[in-house]
Amino acid sequence: QKEVEQNSGPLSVPEGAIASLNCTYSDRGSQSFFWYRQYSGKSPELIMFIYSNGDKEDGRFTAQLNKASQYVSLLIRDSQPSDSATYLCAVIASGGSYIPTFGRGTSLIVHP
Amino acid sequence: DGGITQSPKYLFRKEGQNVTLSCEQNLNHDAMYWYRQDPGQGLRLIYYSQIVNDFQKGDIAEGYSVSREKKESFPLTVTSAQKNPTAFYLCASSIEGVHTPEQFFGPGTRLTVL
Repeated sequence: QKEVEQNSGPLSVPEGAIASLNCTYSDRGSQSFFWYRQYSGKSPELIMFIYSNGDKEDGRFTAQLNKASQYVSLLIRDSQPSDSATYLCAVIASGGSYIPTFGRGTSLIVHP
Repeated sequence: DGGITQSPKYLFRKEGQNVTLSCEQNLNHDAMYWYRQDPGQGLRLIYYSQIVNDFQKGDIAEGYSVSREKKESFPLTVTSAQKNPTAFYLCASSIEGVHTPEQFFGPGTRLTVL
């Protein structure tokens, strides 16, 4: 069973701070990694994907991938109350099916 | 506008009834998926289809059925055999065979058993 683990939170950060969300995965051959944001009662929307070791930046968001340690993280700089949501990590493992496995998500609360 | 539509937004089912959730996409995507989400849980895969007239069971297919007669449509039937169907159901689609296939989600259907 391919597993994707996330701390359910909630992670509470003050406005303007850096929020750090982490995700670990069990399949060492995993190849693609995604971060989705899901507001309460809504469907997930893609924030970022990464497939190479290192950092990938997009605006206030940075995805970090470390395949040797089997973790991927999402940093949100200058956190805003509108960033308050659940963040889902998704991983496409080896085997060629292109079907992602989702973690349970981390609830982020950004308080003014 | 390209996207995925799901209907209805809210659905109520009586015990012993079958209900069908609609999912339509105009993104020309080959692959479509059905997920179930329970409170505080991630997405669990029910069924997926990578091509018309073919579909595969996901992790929790028992009590559900699907069809894929058209590329654009992937309806999900929740049968009476599903003992705990109250959940948020999400349909998604993606381009098949791409290294980083982003999934596009519909707005979801919230099913409640009365």
